[in-house]
Amino acid sequence: EDQVTQSPEALRLQEGESSSLNCSYTVSGLRGLFWYRQDPGKGPEFLFTLYSAGEEKEKERLKATLTKKESFLHITAPKPEDSATYLCAVPPGKGSYIPTFGRGTSLIVHP
Amino acid sequence: NAGVTQTPKFQVLKTGQSMTLQCAQDMNHEYMSWYRQDPGMGLRLIHYSVGAGITDQGEVPNGYNVSRSTTEDFPLRLLSAAPSQTSVYFCASSYSAGTTRSGTQYFGPGTRLLVL
Repeated sequence: EDQVTQSPEALRLQEGESSSLNCSYTVSGLRGLFWYRQDPGKGPEFLFTLYSAGEEKEKERLKATLTKKESFLHITAPKPEDSATYLCAVPPGKGSYIPTFGRGTSLIVHP
Repeated sequence: NAGVTQTPKFQVLKTGQSMTLQCAQDMNHEYMSWYRQDPGMGLRLIHYSVGAGITDQGEVPNGYNVSRSTTEDFPLRLLSAAPSQTSVYFCASSYSAGTTRSGTQYFGPGTRLLVL
């Protein structure tokens, strides 16, 4: 059974204070990974797809990386508008149609 | 494209009442799914569909029914509402579910349900 664990559960940063969010997973064969952002009262919104270990993707102040066991979402010089819950997910395994989501990291960036 | 739409945005039910949460997508996606999101529990899959006429159970299907008569629509029915079904419900769609390259999910805005 696939497992996805995100840490920390909550993170408070000052504006400009860089940090990283972690997504570790146990899967039967690495199949890539998704990152989503969820604003309060809204549905998750797609950020990145990482297909294989060693891959990196960037979008504004966010950079996602992937290894064989975990993914990091690095936030460089965050702004208050980066405050959100960040979710990671792995696609279904062979013979399954059910993706596995982590419980998310709630990020608050103070001005 | 409107993407994934859900109605209603908010609903209050009494225990034992039934209702249908509507979900529609205009991206011609084959895969659609329903999740519930509760504090501290993350997203939990209720039911999913891999195409019109094909549905299957997710992790927490009890108390819910689905059908998929068209590619666009995927309604979720609560048969007899219970307080434990108080939650936020999200509908999602993707081109497919089986691979990373086509499995990016697009979520609707959610329906907040309160069962008294």
